Amino acid sequence: EAEVAQSPRYKITEKSQAVAFWCDPISGHATLYWYRQILGQGPELLVQFQDESVVDDSQLPKDRFSAERLKGVDSTLKIQPAELGDSAMYLCASSHVPGRSEKLFFGSGTQLSVL
Amino acid sequence: DQQVKQNSPSLSVQEGRISILNCDYTNSMFDYFLWYKKYPAEGPTFLISISSIKDKNEDGRFTVFLNKSAKHLSLHIVPSQPGDSAVYFCAASAGETSGSRLTFGEGTQLTVNP
Repeated sequence: EAEVAQSPRYKITEKSQAVAFWCDPISGHATLYWYRQILGQGPELLVQFQDESVVDDSQLPKDRFSAERLKGVDSTLKIQPAELGDSAMYLCASSHVPGRSEKLFFGSGTQLSVL
Repeated sequence: DQQVKQNSPSLSVQEGRISILNCDYTNSMFDYFLWYKKYPAEGPTFLISISSIKDKNEDGRFTVFLNKSAKHLSLHIVPSQPGDSAVYFCAASAGETSGSRLTFGEGTQLTVNP
């Protein structure tokens, strides 16, 4: 069964360092999302791509976060510099039906700890 | 401003009994609601959804009820099984095709005891 692949599974870094997360969506899925889930809260959308284009990044803290999907396939989310409050689970999701919520497939996430 | 709230962080039930998970929302623009299930070390998976034109949707052991006047929905699992133990997230959007604008609740940890 096809899955959304994310790496690394866990990342520990010190504040002010740079970190990057990678996501490979299910093959053929044109829509890709990055979510952040802080402990005790629900996932929150950071950015949505349609192919290589950003559709929605209104919730992305652009002073320190950046996301790219250069060839419209895999994607990288970067934080520079990391802050203590960035500790969270970063989830990637993909869909072959843009906008259809129930068609979202999530990866297992990257757990970030900022010390 | 928490537009989708799940007031119970945890729920424990016996195997075979009914599990009822609750969710409240405040945004009147929400008209499509979903439940996701999340096991440890895995991403959330879609469970069941309901449109605001309905007040009930059933899929096997899972039923979602929507009370629009109270801005409340609930997920019923009957009978509950130990494999149902997971975190359940309620989510809402303004429009069935507004997947990018899902607003999630905080989640409820369900534990089903054998």
